[in-house]
Amino acid sequence: TQLLEQSPQFLSIQEGENLTVYCNSSSVFSSLQWYRQEPGEGPVLLVTVVTGGEVKKLKRLTFQFGDARKDSSLHITAAQPGDTGLYLCATPGGSGGSNYKLTFGKGTLLTVNP
Amino acid sequence: DADVTQTPRNRITKTGKRIMLECSQTKGHDRMYWYRQDPGLGLRLIYYSFDVKDINKGEISDGYSVSRQAQAKFSLSLESAIPNQTALYFCATSESGEGYTFGSGTRLTVV
Repeated sequence: TQLLEQSPQFLSIQEGENLTVYCNSSSVFSSLQWYRQEPGEGPVLLVTVVTGGEVKKLKRLTFQFGDARKDSSLHITAAQPGDTGLYLCATPGGSGGSNYKLTFGKGTLLTVNP
Repeated sequence: DADVTQTPRNRITKTGKRIMLECSQTKGHDRMYWYRQDPGLGLRLIYYSFDVKDINKGEISDGYSVSRQAQAKFSLSLESAIPNQTALYFCATSESGEGYTFGSGTRLTVV
């Protein structure tokens, strides 16, 4: 099982600030997914990155996949209280296809204060 | 209606009791999963099923069993609940190569 390390574990910032959270592994990712989990709810998929060097944007969220596909980052511009939640990265186990099941990092708990 | 529905949302049970958590999905996906979430430990896979006749153990299956009653239904049972099974339990579904759709979770407390 591939181990995913997320940092920081906790992050508390003021509304309007920018932030970056990270997801790293010693192994190459076949692909990587980012989820956000709000209190009392299940995780919700934000994005999937597949190609090394890939950058995807989702409004104020920018996702980068490292060239070597061993790391990924999520950058939030001008954070808002609605961005508060647990941000999780996940990668498929095995070689995909019939062996597709996700392994999750432990997450970054983000609090955006008004 | 939600794509993935979990019942109950909250449950308190006593040590030694048998309990079943239920999950149903309207996505039409073949693949279903059960995870538990604990503070500091993240999401850990309990069981997964790639179709009605396929059931597989995850990384922490001891003390749990599952039943895939139909494509849309996947239930998790604790045969004899113990306090360290207190956790948040999530059911999810997916298609091959796509992200997961999660339910809203069941908060289980074993006293």
